[in-house]
Amino acid sequence: EAQVTQNPRYLITVTGKKLTVTCSQNMNHEYMSWYRQDPGLGLRQIYYSMNVEVTDKGDVPEGYKVSRKEKRNFPLILESPSPNQTSLYFCASSPRSDTQYFGPGTRLTVL
Amino acid sequence: RKEVEQDPGPFNVPEGATVAFNCTYSNSASQSFFWYRQDCRKEPKLLMSVYSSGNEDGRFTAQLNRASQYISLLIRDSKLSDSATYLCAFGGGGGADGLTFGKGTHLIIQP
Repeated sequence: EAQVTQNPRYLITVTGKKLTVTCSQNMNHEYMSWYRQDPGLGLRQIYYSMNVEVTDKGDVPEGYKVSRKEKRNFPLILESPSPNQTSLYFCASSPRSDTQYFGPGTRLTVL
Repeated sequence: RKEVEQDPGPFNVPEGATVAFNCTYSNSASQSFFWYRQDCRKEPKLLMSVYSSGNEDGRFTAQLNRASQYISLLIRDSKLSDSATYLCAFGGGGGADGLTFGKGTHLIIQP
């Protein structure tokens, strides 16, 4: 089954404790991206990757890192999470830079 | 000027009625247009792409007006299961790759 998976689905953590949210797709898509969704602000792109070893900042990259060592995986790293990073995070993949297919989401709470 | 504007609603519509909503975009270089559907606490799912000539998929019709820079979504014979948030998205505008999303229009179909 073609899908985008994210782990964990839910996470509660404390300020400053490094965390990684994994994202994997089995559709051999070149393009992957991360979004966060907040009430009243909608979906905002954090980072995107057009291929292996190629990543670039989206609209709200501060406080986040990503890597793309393999085509299928695109982890999101929060080196020192802060409460303002409490949000719903979505990973997405696409055969090109539009028509994106989203993962199920990760609900992160930073205390 | 906001990049993408959508009426957040909620639109309360009786079952069986026809409902339509628009989404305006400011980037005239946008080249790809989409409607996504998002159920509460779930990931956005692609509903349909929007083509220049307009397109239809069952009860759903999407149209693009490049001159006035908006897209529209029309739902005929609305069902209770159509209740969701509808997000418009635009891509290929020359900025960061990926899609720019509207904040969504909340639709509630009432029995």
